[in-house]
Amino acid sequence: DQQVKQNSPSLSVQEGRISILNCDYTNSMFDYFLWYKKYPAEGPTFLISISSIKDKNEDGRFTVFLNKSAKHLSLHIVPSQPGDSAVYFCAASSISNFGNEKLTFGTGTRLTIIP
Amino acid sequence: EPEVTQTPSHQVTQMGQEVILRCVPISNHLYFYWYRQILGQKVEFLVSFYNNEISEKSEIFDDQFSVERPDGSNFTLKIRSTKLEDSAMYFCASIAPGQLYGYTFGSGTRLTVV
Repeated sequence: DQQVKQNSPSLSVQEGRISILNCDYTNSMFDYFLWYKKYPAEGPTFLISISSIKDKNEDGRFTVFLNKSAKHLSLHIVPSQPGDSAVYFCAASSISNFGNEKLTFGTGTRLTIIP
Repeated sequence: EPEVTQTPSHQVTQMGQEVILRCVPISNHLYFYWYRQILGQKVEFLVSFYNNEISEKSEIFDDQFSVERPDGSNFTLKIRSTKLEDSAMYFCASIAPGQLYGYTFGSGTRLTVV
């Protein structure tokens, strides 16, 4: 049961252009969404997150957009740089009283920035 | 910057053997997790641990798996009798109190069961 889906396994973008990575989810209970970046032989690194009460969150070159009605989120990277080449995972969670819920990950999108 | 440290980076074991994967979370973190990623697949939740007990576990985390925080700094994942399908990257993660999301992950242990 794929509750979080990243339908593009790979994406190539020219350096300096915008990279757009997409993610869809099916579980309506999810209300917090995160993007992680992963280099080979390293663990995932937290990049940016968004709560379901917002539709946009920006941090430098990275912006995450959330469309709750479509159960869709996207990560925009602009301008793209060679160091952005990595696998990007979308992840989702639901806030509970416990406060630190497990993350459900997508399968990842391998982003390659072409110099 | 504080790191989550995992050892070993790669472990090869024979099917049926016990393995212990070790993690040293960031010192002021109180919530601990194990995730795994089978090659080419998504990162999957195994177990969360808080206040010296399991908070939540997935279907994957059956009786063959156990976790322990033996000495206040290490956090271990034990697989009692490994199977071929346990071959994966195992990631430890931790998070600080009040920092709800954005765990810090370790660099992982690649477990190969032969």
